[in-house]
Amino acid sequence: RKEVEQDPGPFNVPEGATVAFNCTYSNSASQSFFWYRQDCRKEPKLLMSVYSSGNEDGRFTAQLNRASQYISLLIRDSKLSDSATYLCVVKTGGYNKLIFGAGTRLAVHP
Amino acid sequence: DARVTQTPRHKVTEMGQEVTMRCQPILGHNTVFWYRQTMMQGLELLAYFRNRAPLDDSGMPKDRFSAEMPDATLATLKIQPSEPRDSAVYFCASGLPLVRAGGRGTDTQYFGPGTRLTVL
Repeated sequence: RKEVEQDPGPFNVPEGATVAFNCTYSNSASQSFFWYRQDCRKEPKLLMSVYSSGNEDGRFTAQLNRASQYISLLIRDSKLSDSATYLCVVKTGGYNKLIFGAGTRLAVHP
Repeated sequence: DARVTQTPRHKVTEMGQEVTMRCQPILGHNTVFWYRQTMMQGLELLAYFRNRAPLDDSGMPKDRFSAEMPDATLATLKIQPSEPRDSAVYFCASGLPLVRAGGRGTDTQYFGPGTRLTVL
């Protein structure tokens, strides 16, 4: 079983739609959680950190459920520019080691 | 706008040849990571350096791969000899320490643009 699991998608949604991605992680000792975004043929970039209390950044909302070892990302009012792969990332271990999920691909169409 | 730089951006080589990839971390960052990304395996951590010392290279095939940091501004990843299964995008990332005196550090890693390697 992979340490971080995501639905690979693709999620094909129209502009303006709300879309949610889920992610589960296996190590209950994991300490920090993130969503990274990767555009086609580009490097991953931090989208947002995920806190236990949940956090919001504009149209993006991230939630963490430690009991279920589950992380989510909600995108409201999807834009064409949101089309990308979204990577669920978990920090585990004594140093800054990040474990990346395989990513969920999102395609927003007009 | 500080960025991680990587060279070359693209490399096509023949099986058996040596490949060297270079990375310049963001000035002031003291952690450097090498990742490999393929369609099948996703992003895999190959090696991790802190203050130029290799702390974790468990993800790296030891027989053909080697990673070094000759100085704080340069990290290298070498493959010798290269094989077709090494074809992938190799990313370097750098970051700030997790714990800094008087407060929390950051877990954010900043990725370079990657080196796209094709081994024929």
